[in-house]
Amino acid sequence: DQQVKQNSPSLSVQEGRISILNCDYTNSMFDYFLWYKKYPAEGPTFLISISSIKDKNEDGRFTVFLNKSAKHLSLHIVPSQPGDSAVYFCAATRGGTASKLTFGTGTRLQVTL
Amino acid sequence: DGGITQSPKYLFRKEGQNVTLSCEQNLNHDAMYWYRQDPGQGLRLIYYSQIVNDFQKGDIAEGYSVSREKKESFPLTVTSAQKNPTAFYLCASSITRHSVEQFFGPGTRLTVL
Repeated sequence: DQQVKQNSPSLSVQEGRISILNCDYTNSMFDYFLWYKKYPAEGPTFLISISSIKDKNEDGRFTVFLNKSAKHLSLHIVPSQPGDSAVYFCAATRGGTASKLTFGTGTRLQVTL
Repeated sequence: DGGITQSPKYLFRKEGQNVTLSCEQNLNHDAMYWYRQDPGQGLRLIYYSQIVNDFQKGDIAEGYSVSREKKESFPLTVTSAQKNPTAFYLCASSITRHSVEQFFGPGTRLTVL
């Protein structure tokens, strides 16, 4: 049972444009969400997170939006740069089980020149 | 220079042999985790340890074993009982068991021949 889903396995965006990566979840108990970025043969690196008490969190070029009623979150990258090309994973956890992150399957972003 | 180290980066073993993957951190983090990544799948939690001398099974613990005798070390043994051991293995740590953000090592790619 995939509780965190990233339905787009890949996305291609031109440099300078906006990249929008989507993530859906089914477990209504999740109350904290994270995005990780991963290059091939490396470990993921933390990018940005959001608590369920918020609907938006911004950090430089990266913004995460959370729609709790739709159980949907999205990561916006503006403007996209070639160095953003990587696999992006969303992850979720619920209060009291902070240790246990549930990851989505990832979306491979390719930023083209 | 703090971080998480995993060695070796690539590991080859014959079928039926046990193999131990190393994970060391000098971040003084309490909690440590082992994940497995397969192509087209997200990260799946194998085992986690919230404190020294304690660990819990994750979602896919069968065929694996761990120990946590020291705060900085969390080795993972892939036993011959693991039916499909070839995968990319990632170790992570977090400041405490209540910390949501996890920091990942570079990973070990295990290939069983």
